[in-house]
Amino acid sequence: QKEVEQNSGPLSVPEGAIASLNCTYSDRGSQSFFWYRQYSGKSPELIMSIYSNGDKEDGRFTAQLNKASQYVSLLIRDSQPSDSATYLCASQDYGGATNKLIFGTGTLLAVQP
Amino acid sequence: GAGVSQSPRYKVAKRGQDVALRCDPISGHVSLFWYQQALGQGPEFLTYFQNEAQLDKSGLPSDRFFAERPEGSVSTLKIQRTQQEDSAVYLCASSLSKGAASNEQYFGPGTRLTVT
Repeated sequence: QKEVEQNSGPLSVPEGAIASLNCTYSDRGSQSFFWYRQYSGKSPELIMSIYSNGDKEDGRFTAQLNKASQYVSLLIRDSQPSDSATYLCASQDYGGATNKLIFGTGTLLAVQP
Repeated sequence: GAGVSQSPRYKVAKRGQDVALRCDPISGHVSLFWYQQALGQGPEFLTYFQNEAQLDKSGLPSDRFFAERPEGSVSTLKIQRTQQEDSAVYLCASSLSKGAASNEQYFGPGTRLTVT
């Protein structure tokens, strides 16, 4: 069973701080990883994708991938109350004919003003 | 541009009724996925289409669930004889292609199904 694990939180950070969200995955064959943001009652919104070991930065967001440790993280700099949401980590299953995503249960982030 | 659209946004069904959920993917997107999301959980894969071909239906929970995409664009997920455990948000996602550079999946707003 291929799995993605996340701490459900809530992770509480003060406004302006760095929020660090982590996830681990079980399938060593996974090549692609994604972070989605999901506001309450809304659908997941893609915010970052990462395919290679190392860091990938986009604005206030940095995704980090370590394939040897099977570990993916998302850093949010200068956190804002509007960043309060559930963050879903997903790996992409390259097995067979599909590119289905395997999601973790999500980490709830609360940014305190 | 237009994103993935889904209808209806909300559906209440009595146990035993049949329902049909529609997904209209981003124009030109080859791949289409259906996921089911229970409260407090991440989305779980149901089925996958590449154009009109259903290449993976391994996530469909029972033979009451059926999906089609006859012309390679709009897709319909049908649930027959709904049960209370079918209550969830049904999400549709599309991606441009299967290739590594274009496999990012974009989700529609979802259909919240409540079976009473």
